[in-house]
Amino acid sequence: DAKTTQPPSMDCAEGRAANLPCNHSTISGNEYVYWYRQIHSQGPQYIIHGLKNNETNEMASLIITEDRKSSTLILPHATLRDTAVYYCIATRVSARQLTFGSGTQLTVLP
Amino acid sequence: NAGVTQTPKFRVLKTGQSMTLLCAQDMNHEYMYWYRQDPGMGLRLIHYSVGEGTTAKGEVPDGYNVSRLKKQNFLLGLESAAPSQTSVYFCASTHWDGSVTSGSGGEQFFGPGTRLTVL
Repeated sequence: DAKTTQPPSMDCAEGRAANLPCNHSTISGNEYVYWYRQIHSQGPQYIIHGLKNNETNEMASLIITEDRKSSTLILPHATLRDTAVYYCIATRVSARQLTFGSGTQLTVLP
Repeated sequence: NAGVTQTPKFRVLKTGQSMTLLCAQDMNHEYMYWYRQDPGMGLRLIHYSVGEGTTAKGEVPDGYNVSRLKKQNFLLGLESAAPSQTSVYFCASTHWDGSVTSGSGGEQFFGPGTRLTVL
């Protein structure tokens, strides 16, 4: 798996967009970028994944730079319930495993 | 669908005791995983299974054994518990359709966790 680097913590005002960055400068061509989040004491929850195109679903958008060395997870209208640790993972699908780092603690402020 | 369930939710053991954690999934997933999470840290993979009757070691397998006798169940055993095994244990499952173009195998579904304390 490619090493990923995320800021340890971020704050965001409720109702504003939360933009969570992830650096994966050593990512290889067949590695996807996955985002998960973990709300306090709960099991991690899958959010979104992508290879090289931007992706959007009902939870979030994923923007991957053209050189694929970094990505940004966007929560368009953050709510208090989005307060969680967000994990960015880069891995080959064929690896069949995920390696979780320390993630980013996002705190949504009222 | 219940998704992924774990039994028990909480357990306190004394050093040297044994126990088994049960993970069950009703999504017909081939792949199942056991992770542990220590306070303030990310998840670490203990063991995983790519199908009924198969198991493989993850990053931190020592002190644990696993079995996958039925496709829907994945058991994690501690033969002789140690205080260093105090942690929260998460089970996960996923379906991999064999396609490297969809990335679907990375969408793991997690259970609610088992909080284990070893005294």
